[in-house]
Amino acid sequence: SYGLTQPPSVSVSPGQTASITCSGDKLGDRYVCWYQQKPGQSPVLVIFQDRKRPSGIPERFSGSSSGNTATLTIIGTQAMDEADYYCQAWDSTTASYVFGTGTKVTVL
Amino acid sequence: QVQLVQSGAEVKKPGASVKVSCKSSGFTFTALSVIHWVRQAPGQRPEWMGWINGGNGNTKYSQKFQGTVIVSTDPSANTVYMELSSLRSEDTAIYYCARDSSGYYAFDMWGQGTKVIVSS
Repeated sequence: SYGLTQPPSVSVSPGQTASITCSGDKLGDRYVCWYQQKPGQSPVLVIFQDRKRPSGIPERFSGSSSGNTATLTIIGTQAMDEADYYCQAWDSTTASYVFGTGTKVTVL
Repeated sequence: QVQLVQSGAEVKKPGASVKVSCKSSGFTFTALSVIHWVRQAPGQRPEWMGWINGGNGNTKYSQKFQGTVIVSTDPSANTVYMELSSLRSEDTAIYYCARDSSGYYAFDMWGQGTKVIVSS
């Protein structure tokens, strides 16, 4: 089955840039989206179609995807961005939705 | 306010079934309304279970849940249901309904989640 791999954790200082990668076979050929999940809350979509931001998501969130890797970048990270982040893509082979392993972002 | 509202927490014994509801608020199910079910076990990543077209009832399930999950809809009540049978302790999780209105395989609206505990 299709797998998406993320680093378990990323640490960033307030105001700095956090980059979270998501790796999967030919990921650049698929649409990738990213979710933010804070403790006890439902996931929130922050990026879809590789790089588009839903209404209400701050501009400091951006996405890119190429080859086997997609990246979520948070520029000017704020304390409120501390959360778990999951990438997700659609596997056309099985017509199923696949989530990444998840990355905990800590703002130190 | 446009949202998905789920039923409350459940505690079930192994072997039992659970049925979770998801009602739309602020929008009506149509043939274009695809509602997904996603579960998340404690400390784990989300896991997609399947989807249903809220308007016509067409479904698609993850291979993992084929035979144990049934997703149904009552369009007149703008409600979707997810029933999971033969429960095991490993089914203890938060179950979410979610909508994809982006058309790009992304869930742009989530319910608040329903905690299901399976314990003897």
